[in-house]
Amino acid sequence: DTGVSQDPRHKITKRGQNVTFRCDPISEHNRLYWYRQTLGQGPEFLTYFQNEAQLEKSRLLSDRFSAERPKGSFSTLEIQRTEQGDSAMYLCASSSPEGGRTPSSGELFFGEGSRLTVL
Amino acid sequence: AQKITQTQPGMFVQEKEAVTLDCTYDTSDPSYGLFWYKQPSSGEMIFLIYQGSYDQQNATEGRYSLNFQKARKSANLVISASQLGDSAMYFCAMREIRTDSWGKFQFGAGTQVVVTP
Repeated sequence: DTGVSQDPRHKITKRGQNVTFRCDPISEHNRLYWYRQTLGQGPEFLTYFQNEAQLEKSRLLSDRFSAERPKGSFSTLEIQRTEQGDSAMYLCASSSPEGGRTPSSGELFFGEGSRLTVL
Repeated sequence: AQKITQTQPGMFVQEKEAVTLDCTYDTSDPSYGLFWYKQPSSGEMIFLIYQGSYDQQNATEGRYSLNFQKARKSANLVISASQLGDSAMYFCAMREIRTDSWGKFQFGAGTQVVVTP
């Protein structure tokens, strides 16, 4: 299977603990995105990478959140000192390279998500 | 500020009928892309259709078509001949093409569609 994979699929943790999620994008995709989705809402942008460079980070993202993509392949999203408000589905997506600054499809391919529950 | 607005939280549609899902967007950039995604209860996000801001014709993909009205900043999704398997949450998304937000996709709140027999 060459789709986007995320691990773990489910994580239950106690408030104050640190958690880390991993995302393996589609191999030829150089862009990788992290989104957060709460029940009944649309995905909320967190951050994205082009290769290993983190190009944008949402202002909504507190300092407790950090993401890395050290070799331009897989990425990790770490949440430190988790709070109950962090409970959500964390979605990873990747997209294919684009030829230039003109609109092209470049749609996101999503993983199945990592569901976090903070008790 | 909300960039993507989906005003219909939920809709019922009978099998074999067409349904239109509304989406309006806000951007000052001339270059952008509009997308629709489907999210069934299983949770995966499935890409349906794309419309570029410079595309002259409305996009179509099988039973899906996008009614693009650029001046009104509207990108409604039309699903023809609805099937029971179309029951899902549908999200409209936009990607603006400019220096400070190149690549970021923004999603609306979604519309829940229930197809009834």
